Amino acid sequence: QVQLQESGPGLVKPSETLSLTCVVSGYSISISSGYYWGWIRQPPGKGLEWIGNIYHSGSTYYNPSLKSRVTISVDTSKNQFSLKLSSVTAADTAVYYCARLDSSGYYRLDYWGQGTLVTVSS
Amino acid sequence: QSALTQPASVSGSPGQSITISCTETGSDVASYDYVSWYQQYPGKAPKLMIYDVSKRPSGVSNRFSGSKSGNTASLTISGLQAEDEADYYCCSYVGSNNVVFGGGTKLTVL
Repeated sequence: QVQLQESGPGLVKPSETLSLTCVVSGYSISISSGYYWGWIRQPPGKGLEWIGNIYHSGSTYYNPSLKSRVTISVDTSKNQFSLKLSSVTAADTAVYYCARLDSSGYYRLDYWGQGTLVTVSS
Repeated sequence: QSALTQPASVSGSPGQSITISCTETGSDVASYDYVSWYQQYPGKAPKLMIYDVSKRPSGVSNRFSGSKSGNTASLTISGLQAEDEADYYCCSYVGSNNVVFGGGTKLTVL
């Protein structure tokens, strides 16, 4: 059973960098042919927004609207991947989810973490 | 840039069928054949209900079905039940291994 678990600070100050990690269990990121590992966020009371994703090789793909501030990295030795979002403002307050994007003949977000709320406030 | 438009809300009575639409606008969608639908309860992570327009993951009730006509995809829920009350999001592949979400639809079971 594939499981994803987000972790990181729940409170970040404006202008600082938001950092989150997603630990994957039940599946090895390093052999994930056709699978990408992504980040999605959801501001309180609003809809889902795709942030970006990464392949086990380290190739990354970002939402153009966030690209200048986003870095996603992968650590296959720890079976985890990470998100960094720089220069945050209150508009970045959201629940952040990590998920697996299955593109092995389909396109579907088949496994999700439970989500972690990050609040941007001084 | 591509966008997916959903109605903000839909409602139906138990036992009825409802349909949620998802209309694609813009020219960035690499293939509108890769539309998926997610169910989300308050405070919970989204759950995959339909992928590749009309395929259903194992474990998802056959009361949920998906279809597409032109640039509009649809999620139909038949035999509506109280437990179906949730938010529903459509999602489409837009190339370069990125996706875009619709704005979400709140389903109310009357």
